[in-house]
Amino acid sequence: DAGVTQSPTHLIKTRGQHVTLRCSPISGHKSVSWYQQVLGQGPQFIFQYYEKEERGRGNFPDRFSARQFPNYSSELNVNALLLGDSALYLCASSSGGGNTGELFFGEGSRLTVL
Amino acid sequence: AQRVTQPEKLLSVFKGAPVELKCNYSYSGSPELFWYVQYSRQRLQLLLRHISRESIKGFTADLNKGETSFHLKKPFAQEEDSAMYYCALVSGGYNKLIFGAGTRLAVHP
Repeated sequence: DAGVTQSPTHLIKTRGQHVTLRCSPISGHKSVSWYQQVLGQGPQFIFQYYEKEERGRGNFPDRFSARQFPNYSSELNVNALLLGDSALYLCASSSGGGNTGELFFGEGSRLTVL
Repeated sequence: AQRVTQPEKLLSVFKGAPVELKCNYSYSGSPELFWYVQYSRQRLQLLLRHISRESIKGFTADLNKGETSFHLKKPFAQEEDSAMYYCALVSGGYNKLIFGAGTRLAVHP
């Protein structure tokens, strides 16, 4: 198993643009979470999806949205990009939607906004 | 507010020395705490969780509710322990983790 896979690995956008990040969970995992990691800080929770429904949302503006597909893969969308959105975006999967605390992370998508 | 604090950005020790990575938390209720580790060029991965009271790669962590701490300890550091360590708290009825800012452990030969 390749583990959690994310694409693209790196991308550069300009302010005001839109970005879509993709994630494929570990086979059999039904939950996907998204985290933002700014340089020098720990990952910060953005969303969790379980069985295609949003289960939780962090303190992020409405410019951030996500969805989960029938095959449990997920997309994170960010509109009207700001310089402060530059970060590593991590996707994590888990087998269930409950509070196990055990997440399996991808390698991340590094977004640079100019 | 729920919060995880790791006061040290960098901890530098020599091989064979004891290691203690500090973690303090703020949480109302019974916390569930974890240590995640990221080795160079690898993805973030779970190291251990307090509820299982296990020792992984020689590391242990004890939850101290009185001091609201969950420090990670190892009696004899090895060079391969060099990595970024994150303390995390699970929050909410779903798998939301609140991470600390992380501590970089550097073990020198």
